[in-house]
Amino acid sequence: AQSVTQLDSQVPVFEEAPVELRCNYSSSVSVYLFWYVQYPNQGLQLLLKYLSGSTLVESINGFEAEFNKSQTSFHLRKPSVHISDTAEYFCAVSFSGNTGKLIFGQGTTLQVKP
Amino acid sequence: KAGVTQTPRYLIKTRGQQVTLSCSPISGHRSVSWYQQTPGQGLQFLFEYFSETQRNKGNFPGRFSGRQFSNSRSEMNVSTLELGDSALYLCASSFGDREGETQYFGPGTRLLVL
Repeated sequence: AQSVTQLDSQVPVFEEAPVELRCNYSSSVSVYLFWYVQYPNQGLQLLLKYLSGSTLVESINGFEAEFNKSQTSFHLRKPSVHISDTAEYFCAVSFSGNTGKLIFGQGTTLQVKP
Repeated sequence: KAGVTQTPRYLIKTRGQQVTLSCSPISGHRSVSWYQQTPGQGLQFLFEYFSETQRNKGNFPGRFSGRQFSNSRSEMNVSTLELGDSALYLCASSFGDREGETQYFGPGTRLLVL
């Protein structure tokens, strides 16, 4: 079965501390991996994605994620968070053969405290 | 380039009524995907249209339907509304002709069923 699991529903962290949001998937076919962020009362914005090639991908605002095929994971990390990073983060997977369809994890609320 | 737009942004209906939501994709995009977001079930894929044809479908009852016009604009319809249909409905667009493409999301339509 094809599924996506985000292991933490909420992650509280202090400003300037590092953070890791975990994402695991289950699939028997090739996958394309995404992290989206959702601010209150807004739609989803793409943070970063992995299609192929280097397993480490970075975003313009300091987030990075590493694709680990053996562990079927795509964890999101940031070495130093800001108050403005407070939002809900969704891991999403597109499975080969299903163009246009994203399967999302349940989401992780990142709460950055001063 | 204008982003994905959705109308209306907010909607209140009563049980048994029907509703139509509209989505205008980014210019040049031919794929439109629809998702339902609820606190309990998270983000769930409804269906995807590409060049006026439904190409992918999620596990929703037949009360949920959609269509796409020749200009790639898409509508989704929910008939015989139930309380559980209260949700944020998001649409996303992409070029749709390659696997792993980024989907760009609109701000959503928040539907409340009373």
